[in-house]
Amino acid sequence: DTGVSQNPRHKITKRGQNVTFRCDPISEHNRLYWYRQTLGQGPEFLTYFQNEAQLEKSRLLSDRFSAERPKGSFSTLEIQRTEQGDSAMYLCASSLGQGVNEQYFGPGTRLTVT
Amino acid sequence: GNSVTQMEGPVTLSEEAFLTINCTYTATGYPSLFWYVQYPGEGLQLLLKATKADDKGSNKGFEATYRKETTSFHLEKGSVQVSDSAVYFCALTLTSGSARQLTFGSGTQLTVLP
Repeated sequence: DTGVSQNPRHKITKRGQNVTFRCDPISEHNRLYWYRQTLGQGPEFLTYFQNEAQLEKSRLLSDRFSAERPKGSFSTLEIQRTEQGDSAMYLCASSLGQGVNEQYFGPGTRLTVT
Repeated sequence: GNSVTQMEGPVTLSEEAFLTINCTYTATGYPSLFWYVQYPGEGLQLLLKATKADDKGSNKGFEATYRKETTSFHLEKGSVQVSDSAVYFCALTLTSGSARQLTFGSGTQLTVLP
């Protein structure tokens, strides 16, 4: 399978714990995006990487969130001191970064904070 | 800023009925427009796209025409099937700027009954 993959698919954690999610993009894609989707809403942009450089962050991305993309391949999204409001589906997408810049999405990681 | 407004759901149709899901947008620049579909338990999939005014995107019997004068990109299908039951998202991305993140509507849940 050469699509975007995300791990884990589901994560249940207690409030105050740290969690980390991983995204593996399509191999030739140099752009990688993170979005958050809550129930009944469309995905909202969090941050984006061009190769290993994090070039833009949304105001939704509080100081408790950090993302990395070492070596411009896979990416991780860490949430520190989780809050119940962090419960959502976290989506990763990748694109070639050329032309129309079509983005291809992974299956998402569903986070539940109890 | 940029925004996408979709018709409120959910929408319930009988098999072989005609489908229209309305989508209008506001954008600070000249956008490309997309429809994504999310089947139960699966990730977002690109359904169709249009990159300039009067372009018609089509795929799997679905069509949408980029109407700049009405800032709309309505999704249509002449005869829906049970397998089309899913959540449909309209989205835009600007064709200039660095990130080119997607801005999504809130989604429309479609249920097709046999």
